[in-house]
Amino acid sequence: GIQVEQSPPDLILQEGANSTLRCNFSDSVNNLQWFHQNPWGQLINLFYIPSGTKQNGRLSATTVATERYSLLYISSSQTTDSGVYFCAVEGSASGTYKYIFGTGTRLKVLA
Amino acid sequence: NAGVTQTPKFQVLKTGQSMTLQCAQDMNHEYMSWYRQDPGMGLRLIHYSVGAGITDQGEVPNGYNVSRSTTEDFPLRLLSAAPSQTSVYFCATSGTPNQETQYFGPGTRLLVL
Repeated sequence: GIQVEQSPPDLILQEGANSTLRCNFSDSVNNLQWFHQNPWGQLINLFYIPSGTKQNGRLSATTVATERYSLLYISSSQTTDSGVYFCAVEGSASGTYKYIFGTGTRLKVLA
Repeated sequence: NAGVTQTPKFQVLKTGQSMTLQCAQDMNHEYMSWYRQDPGMGLRLIHYSVGAGITDQGEVPNGYNVSRSTTEDFPLRLLSAAPSQTSVYFCATSGTPNQETQYFGPGTRLLVL
Protein backbone atom coordinates (compact mmCIF):
# COMPACT_ATOMS: atom_id res chain seq x y z
CA GLY A 1 0.00 0.00 0.00
CA ILE A 2 0.86 3.65 -0.10
CA GLN A 3 3.61 4.85 2.24
CA VAL A 4 3.52 8.23 3.95
CA GLU A 5 6.65 9.78 5.42
CA GLN A 6 6.81 13.01 7.36
CA SER A 7 9.84 15.09 8.18
CA PRO A 8 11.31 16.21 10.40
CA PRO A 9 10.06 13.89 13.14
CA ASP A 10 10.74 16.50 15.80
CA LEU A 11 11.14 20.26 15.67
CA ILE A 12 11.84 22.86 18.35
CA LEU A 13 11.33 26.52 17.54
CA GLN A 14 11.58 29.81 19.29
CA GLU A 15 8.36 31.79 19.27
CA GLY A 16 8.17 33.94 16.15
CA ALA A 17 10.19 31.59 13.95
CA ASN A 18 8.97 30.09 10.69
CA SER A 19 8.98 26.40 9.78
CA THR A 20 8.24 24.00 6.95
CA LEU A 21 6.90 20.50 7.50
CA ARG A 22 7.06 17.95 4.72
CA CYS A 23 4.90 14.97 3.77
CA ASN A 24 6.10 12.54 1.09
CA PHE A 25 3.91 9.81 -0.31
CA SER A 26 4.85 6.84 -2.43
CA ASP A 27 1.98 6.70 -4.89
CA SER A 28 -0.62 8.90 -6.52
CA VAL A 29 -3.32 10.21 -4.20
CA ASN A 30 -6.93 11.25 -4.52
CA ASN A 31 -6.96 13.31 -1.38
CA LEU A 32 -4.64 14.75 1.26
CA GLN A 33 -5.36 16.43 4.57
CA TRP A 34 -3.24 18.06 7.26
CA PHE A 35 -4.18 17.79 10.93
CA HIS A 36 -2.92 19.29 14.18
CA GLN A 37 -3.11 17.25 17.38
CA ASN A 38 -2.83 19.58 20.36
CA PRO A 39 -1.13 18.59 23.63
CA TRP A 40 -4.53 17.50 25.01
CA GLY A 41 -5.00 15.01 22.18
CA GLN A 42 -7.64 16.81 20.15
CA LEU A 43 -7.30 16.47 16.38
CA ILE A 44 -8.14 19.51 14.31
CA ASN A 45 -8.27 19.60 10.55
CA LEU A 46 -6.03 22.30 9.07
CA PHE A 47 -6.28 21.79 5.33
CA TYR A 48 -7.97 19.60 2.79
CA ILE A 49 -5.49 19.94 -0.06
CA PRO A 50 -5.18 17.22 -2.73
CA SER A 51 -3.38 19.71 -4.96
CA GLY A 52 -2.45 23.38 -5.16
CA THR A 53 -1.93 25.92 -2.41
CA LYS A 54 -4.16 27.12 0.41
CA GLN A 55 -3.67 29.66 3.18
CA ASN A 56 -5.37 30.15 6.51
CA GLY A 57 -3.90 32.90 8.61
CA ARG A 58 -0.33 32.07 9.59
CA LEU A 59 -0.60 28.60 8.08
CA SER A 60 -0.39 27.63 4.45
CA ALA A 61 -0.04 24.36 2.58
CA THR A 62 1.07 23.29 -0.85
CA THR A 63 0.61 19.90 -2.48
CA VAL A 64 2.49 18.95 -5.63
CA ALA A 65 0.70 15.74 -6.47
CA THR A 66 2.81 14.98 -9.55
CA GLU A 67 5.96 15.00 -7.38
CA ARG A 68 4.24 13.23 -4.49
CA TYR A 69 4.76 15.67 -1.67
CA SER A 70 2.99 18.25 0.41
CA LEU A 71 4.37 21.07 2.56
CA LEU A 72 2.88 22.79 5.56
CA TYR A 73 4.23 26.25 6.36
CA ILE A 74 3.90 27.82 9.77
CA SER A 75 4.89 31.46 9.99
CA SER A 76 5.48 33.54 13.13
CA SER A 77 5.00 30.47 15.30
CA GLN A 78 3.25 30.74 18.65
CA THR A 79 3.32 28.47 21.69
CA THR A 80 -0.20 27.39 20.83
CA ASP A 81 1.15 25.84 17.63
CA SER A 82 2.84 23.13 19.71
CA GLY A 83 1.65 19.59 19.19
CA VAL A 84 1.88 16.96 16.48
CA TYR A 85 1.15 17.62 12.83
CA PHE A 86 -0.10 14.75 10.70
CA CYS A 87 -0.70 14.42 7.02
CA ALA A 88 -3.16 11.80 5.81
CA VAL A 89 -3.59 10.60 2.24
CA GLU A 90 -6.14 8.61 0.34
CA GLY A 91 -4.18 6.64 -2.23
CA SER A 92 -5.60 6.28 -5.73
CA ALA A 93 -4.86 2.54 -5.65
CA SER A 94 -5.44 1.75 -1.98
CA GLY A 95 -9.15 2.23 -2.06
CA THR A 96 -11.65 5.02 -1.75
CA TYR A 97 -12.20 6.44 1.72
CA LYS A 98 -9.13 4.70 3.19
CA TYR A 99 -6.91 7.40 4.64
CA ILE A 100 -3.34 6.51 5.60
CA PHE A 101 -1.66 8.72 8.18
CA GLY A 102 2.01 9.58 8.47
CA THR A 103 3.73 9.25 11.84
CA GLY A 104 3.70 13.00 12.36
CA THR A 105 6.02 15.91 13.12
CA ARG A 106 6.17 16.81 16.79
CA LEU A 107 6.53 20.58 17.16
CA LYS A 108 7.45 22.43 20.32
CA VAL A 109 7.41 26.22 20.29
CA LEU A 110 9.29 27.88 23.14
CA ALA A 111 8.27 31.24 24.60
CA ASN B 1 -24.49 21.47 18.12
CA ALA B 2 -22.18 18.99 19.87
CA GLY B 3 -20.31 17.86 16.74
CA VAL B 4 -18.73 14.45 17.31
CA THR B 5 -19.04 12.86 20.75
CA GLN B 6 -17.38 9.72 22.08
CA THR B 7 -18.09 7.74 25.22
CA PRO B 8 -16.55 6.69 27.48
CA LYS B 9 -13.50 8.97 27.77
CA PHE B 10 -11.49 6.29 29.54
CA GLN B 11 -12.00 2.57 30.12
CA VAL B 12 -10.06 -0.25 31.74
CA LEU B 13 -10.84 -3.80 30.66
CA LYS B 14 -9.53 -7.22 31.55
CA THR B 15 -8.37 -9.56 28.81
CA GLY B 16 -11.36 -11.36 27.30
CA GLN B 17 -13.96 -8.80 28.29
CA SER B 18 -16.17 -7.17 25.71
CA MET B 19 -17.25 -3.57 25.36
CA THR B 20 -18.67 -1.04 22.95
CA LEU B 21 -17.16 2.35 22.22
CA GLN B 22 -19.82 4.85 21.27
CA CYS B 23 -19.59 7.54 18.62
CA ALA B 24 -22.36 9.97 17.77
CA GLN B 25 -22.55 12.99 15.47
CA ASP B 26 -25.19 15.63 14.93
CA MET B 27 -23.85 17.08 11.66
CA ASN B 28 -25.84 14.74 9.40
CA HIS B 29 -22.60 13.42 7.92
CA GLU B 30 -22.71 10.28 5.81
CA TYR B 31 -19.13 9.17 6.31
CA MET B 32 -17.94 7.92 9.70
CA SER B 33 -14.79 6.08 10.65
CA TRP B 34 -12.83 4.63 13.57
CA TYR B 35 -9.10 5.01 14.06
CA ARG B 36 -6.69 3.83 16.70
CA GLN B 37 -3.58 5.75 17.75
CA ASP B 38 -0.69 4.02 19.44
CA PRO B 39 2.23 5.85 21.13
CA GLY B 40 4.53 7.57 18.67
CA MET B 41 2.45 6.55 15.71
CA GLY B 42 -0.07 8.08 13.41
CA LEU B 43 -3.66 7.00 13.26
CA ARG B 44 -4.66 3.71 11.65
CA LEU B 45 -8.08 3.14 10.14
CA ILE B 46 -10.06 0.29 11.72
CA HIS B 47 -13.48 0.41 10.03
CA TYR B 48 -15.50 2.98 8.16
CA SER B 49 -19.03 3.57 6.91
CA VAL B 50 -20.31 5.60 3.97
CA GLY B 51 -23.90 5.58 5.17
CA ALA B 52 -26.47 3.75 7.25
CA GLY B 53 -26.27 0.01 6.61
CA ILE B 54 -22.89 0.20 4.84
CA THR B 55 -19.59 -0.61 6.52
CA ASP B 56 -16.16 -1.73 5.33
CA GLN B 57 -12.79 -2.69 6.74
CA GLY B 58 -9.86 -0.37 7.08
CA GLU B 59 -6.19 -1.02 7.68
CA VAL B 60 -6.45 -2.89 11.03
CA PRO B 61 -9.95 -4.42 11.37
CA ASN B 62 -9.14 -7.66 13.22
CA GLY B 63 -10.72 -7.92 16.68
CA TYR B 64 -13.27 -5.18 16.03
CA ASN B 65 -16.86 -5.15 14.77
CA VAL B 66 -19.02 -2.25 13.64
CA SER B 67 -22.55 -1.61 12.48
CA ARG B 68 -24.33 1.51 11.25
CA SER B 69 -28.07 1.42 11.82
CA THR B 70 -28.53 5.21 11.85
CA THR B 71 -26.76 8.19 10.30
CA GLU B 72 -25.92 9.56 13.75
CA ASP B 73 -24.31 6.57 15.47
CA PHE B 74 -21.36 4.33 14.67
CA PRO B 75 -20.42 2.04 17.59
CA LEU B 76 -17.20 0.04 17.71
CA ARG B 77 -17.34 -3.34 19.44
CA LEU B 78 -14.51 -5.29 20.98
CA LEU B 79 -15.78 -8.84 21.41
CA SER B 80 -12.84 -10.22 23.40
CA ALA B 81 -10.37 -7.55 24.44
CA ALA B 82 -6.63 -8.21 24.19
CA PRO B 83 -3.70 -6.19 25.59
CA SER B 84 -2.72 -5.36 21.99
CA GLN B 85 -5.92 -3.33 21.77
CA THR B 86 -4.70 -0.89 24.40
CA SER B 87 -4.80 2.38 22.50
CA VAL B 88 -6.58 5.68 22.04
CA TYR B 89 -9.58 5.38 19.75
CA PHE B 90 -10.86 8.24 17.63
CA CYS B 91 -14.07 8.53 15.70
CA ALA B 92 -14.22 10.85 12.68
CA THR B 93 -16.92 12.08 10.32
CA SER B 94 -17.22 14.04 7.09
CA GLY B 95 -20.02 15.00 4.77
CA THR B 96 -18.39 13.13 1.95
CA PRO B 97 -15.14 11.25 2.45
CA ASN B 98 -13.25 12.60 -0.50
CA GLN B 99 -14.52 16.13 -0.81
CA GLU B 100 -14.62 17.47 2.70
CA THR B 101 -12.48 17.66 5.78
CA GLN B 102 -12.78 15.11 8.56
CA TYR B 103 -13.92 16.11 12.05
CA PHE B 104 -12.64 14.08 14.98
CA GLY B 105 -14.18 13.24 18.33
CA PRO B 106 -12.21 13.75 21.57
CA GLY B 107 -11.09 10.12 21.75
CA THR B 108 -11.50 7.15 24.10
CA ARG B 109 -8.46 5.93 25.99
CA LEU B 110 -8.64 2.14 26.45
CA LEU B 111 -6.40 0.07 28.69
CA VAL B 112 -6.61 -3.73 28.49
CA LEU B 113 -4.93 -5.58 31.33
